Amino acid sequence: DVKVTQSSRYLVKRTGEKVFLECVQDMDHENMFWYRQDPGLGLRLIYFSYDVKMKEKGDIPEGYSVSREKKERFSLILESASTNQTSMYLCASSHDRFVDEQFFGPGTRLTVL
Amino acid sequence: LAKTTQPISMDSYEGQEVNITCSHNNIATNDYITWYQQFPSQGPRFIIQGYKTKVTNEVASLFIPADRKSSTLSLPRVSLSDTAVYYCLVGEGTYKYIFGTGTRLKVLA
Repeated sequence: DVKVTQSSRYLVKRTGEKVFLECVQDMDHENMFWYRQDPGLGLRLIYFSYDVKMKEKGDIPEGYSVSREKKERFSLILESASTNQTSMYLCASSHDRFVDEQFFGPGTRLTVL
Repeated sequence: LAKTTQPISMDSYEGQEVNITCSHNNIATNDYITWYQQFPSQGPRFIIQGYKTKVTNEVASLFIPADRKSSTLSLPRVSLSDTAVYYCLVGEGTYKYIFGTGTRLKVLA
């Protein structure tokens, strides 16, 4: 079974802090994704990566950056956290085609005070 | 910006067939339609994917009309454990994939 793990289930940070969310997948998938999920808005794509060191902006990249130094690991970085970044963050991975089934992690609920 | 829209919620009784429709008038010519199921405190899970006409697997069917501007997820004989939020995911061009707004399905005994 594919396993996608996220470093924390719950995280509380203060405004202005730098925040790192880590995601690891164990199935040698090419593609990795970061989404945020908010009530009434569904899932929105922040960034994705189709290869090591490669990244593409999603629909809402502002205020976020990403890093993919190794194939299995994709990090989401909030350079200076703000209260409007309080959300559920979901990581996913998929095989080689972008359209392939995405396997999701359990999510990190981030609260920015 | 066109949205991928779904009904907000639906109720059904156990044993009934449930149909959830997604409208996606911006779908790209060569892209697929994928449906996911999400339970509370979990990430979404793949249900089914299709490009045109009809696709069936062991848990659901997916109906896509010729113009591909909508799709219908069909769940046969739902049970209480099918209570979840259902999302469609549609491709709108190169590296552009949009999740629908989600449909909260509640199955009643």
